[in-house]
Amino acid sequence: DAGVIQSPRHEVTEMGQEVTLRCKPISGHDYLFWYRQTMMRGLELLIYFNNNVPIDDSGMPEDRFSAKMPNASFSTLKIQPSEPRDSAVYFCASSPPSHLSTDTQYFGPGTRLTVL
Amino acid sequence: KNQVEQSPQSLIILEGKNCTLQCNYTVSPFSNLRWYKQDTGRGPVSLTIMTFSENTKSNGRYTATLDADTKQSSLHITASQLSDSASYICVVSEKAAGNKLTFGGGTRVLVKP
Repeated sequence: DAGVIQSPRHEVTEMGQEVTLRCKPISGHDYLFWYRQTMMRGLELLIYFNNNVPIDDSGMPEDRFSAKMPNASFSTLKIQPSEPRDSAVYFCASSPPSHLSTDTQYFGPGTRLTVL
Repeated sequence: KNQVEQSPQSLIILEGKNCTLQCNYTVSPFSNLRWYKQDTGRGPVSLTIMTFSENTKSNGRYTATLDADTKQSSLHITASQLSDSASYICVVSEKAAGNKLTFGGGTRVLVKP
């Protein structure tokens, strides 16, 4: 298995532009998580899905952030409009059905976002 | 408020030496505790996971302990290698729908030859 796939790996954009981050979870996993990591705040959970349905989006910082999961193999995190304070590494993670495991999460390589 | 505190923030050790990282948490109700290793520029990778009834678990040279009464965990690295240089993150899961996670700030370990 290729693991969790994220694209792009790096994104540099200007303030005000729309940014879309993409994630393909591991096949068979029914949980998908979006995280943001910064030096100041560490890892923060933004939102997670179960069976393509958003379960908890309380970590989404504001209305500029939105996430979708149209099917079991694809999710997007969109920032519109982007701001310099959104600069961070964004991780996507997936985990198998909870009845099969102790819900270990498998992380993707991350997308490093820089907003100028 | 649920919190996970890790110490030290960073440490430098010589190759071959042992070290111990600490994690204190206030998450309740407790479900499980994980230690992740994060290499620079990579995503975190799970090292160990412990539930309430487990007080020690090993993964190669990594040994994690859990004291659910005092809400403390430690990660011991034995005979450190240069490849152990990374950040180690303690993550506690809250027993609720979806097992919400609370992350510690991590301990950055640098192993020097």
